[in-house]
Amino acid sequence: GESVGLHLPTLSVQEGDNSIINCAYSNSASDYFIWYKQESGKGPQFIIDIRSNMDKRQGQRVTVLLNKTVKHLSLQIAATQPGDSAVYFCAETLNQAGTALIFGKGTTLSVSS
Amino acid sequence: KAGVTQTPRYLIKTRGQQVTLSCSPISGHRSVSWYQQTPGQGLQFLFEYFSETQRNKGNFPGRFSGRQFSNSRSEMNVSTLELGDSALYLCASSLAVGVSNEKLFFGSGTQLSVL
Repeated sequence: GESVGLHLPTLSVQEGDNSIINCAYSNSASDYFIWYKQESGKGPQFIIDIRSNMDKRQGQRVTVLLNKTVKHLSLQIAATQPGDSAVYFCAETLNQAGTALIFGKGTTLSVSS
Repeated sequence: KAGVTQTPRYLIKTRGQQVTLSCSPISGHRSVSWYQQTPGQGLQFLFEYFSETQRNKGNFPGRFSGRQFSNSRSEMNVSTLELGDSALYLCASSLAVGVSNEKLFFGSGTQLSVL
């Protein structure tokens, strides 16, 4: 079946380190992927997205890499800060509009100073 | 611009009751989606509404229903509540002016506890 999963449930890093959060997806037909950040007591917040015709996309301190050959996504956060502590989810779309999403289980990132 | 507003923030119900949750999307957004979040199952898509019509539906029983009003506000209803319905229910809105890859904006959710 279709599913999006994350390799590690938790990741602990020191402030200033670079963080890498991984995600594997199973639907080779998926063409749009998104990373969300969810802080305690809040809903998921959009971080960055990537379409299947791209391998890499960069934002402010974040980079998403897509490897379609092995159906793998990763989110890289540069110079991780305590404010980056949250649960990170990858998601793929069920519909063309991108409004129906399959979410992975999430990785909890803890940043210590 | 105000974000997505969900009410109530917390709700306690007993088994067998029904519940209605409300969502006001960002002004100008025409699509509203609902998700259920639990520690065991994670975030799961319930349904999406656009122009007062259900456009997509996830794999949930018929006890879960929703609707959208002409002002894009949406409600979801769960009838005959079960203990397993205890969850954070999240609403997300999007502009829905294009045909693909809409960015979703989530509310803070309604935490439902079924006793």
